[in-house]
Amino acid sequence: DSGVTQTPKHLITATGQRVTLRCSPRSGDLSVYWYQQSLDQGLQFLIQYYNGEERAKGNILERFSAQQFPDLHSELNLSSLELGDSALYFCASSVEGGLRDEQFFGPGTRLTVL
Amino acid sequence: AQTVTQSQPEMSVQEAETVTLSCTYDTSESNYYLFWYKQPPSRQMILVIRQEAYKQQNATENRFSVNFQKAAKSFSLKISDSQLGDTAMYFCAFMIYSGDDMRFGAGTRLTVKP
Repeated sequence: DSGVTQTPKHLITATGQRVTLRCSPRSGDLSVYWYQQSLDQGLQFLIQYYNGEERAKGNILERFSAQQFPDLHSELNLSSLELGDSALYFCASSVEGGLRDEQFFGPGTRLTVL
Repeated sequence: AQTVTQSQPEMSVQEAETVTLSCTYDTSESNYYLFWYKQPPSRQMILVIRQEAYKQQNATENRFSVNFQKAAKSFSLKISDSQLGDTAMYFCAFMIYSGDDMRFGAGTRLTVKP
């Protein structure tokens, strides 16, 4: 158990819909990362937040957005869902978000778009 | 652009034997981190080992060690005394100092046979 929690564990929805994935970082960690793992794209970094501010952005679609709240939990919002958005979405956290910090991954949320 | 290549989609090894997983990367940067992550059937992402590019000494964590060849841009993972619990997907990852965008390889599925 990494200490990072993600909800829900599974999510099934239809194309065109919008969903919100939630992540709670380890106690004391200020930085949160979001990753997408899909069969065709592999494991990809989406976005990073540090203490409520966006720090780095990767291959995140415009239909996706994220935020980190004052209590440091984070939400990833996926809208206008397409079949290709079906994937495992991981959240990770680290102490300060620096390169020397180990990232601890949550168990992931499996999103299925039908 | 930074890329990470894992040329072995699947490998298998007998319990107690040694196996080496290959990873090559491409970058023009001189300062970066390299990682190996393990993803067991539970889908949790677990950091196995990491190497800082400026360190010539190969990183070691118990039964896991790396062979880091900076000039060849190679970062292989050696697992000694393989155990059944080592069965997992293994991802090689790369992160440059000046950014927080972690790039992953496609992964190698390792099966340890009894």
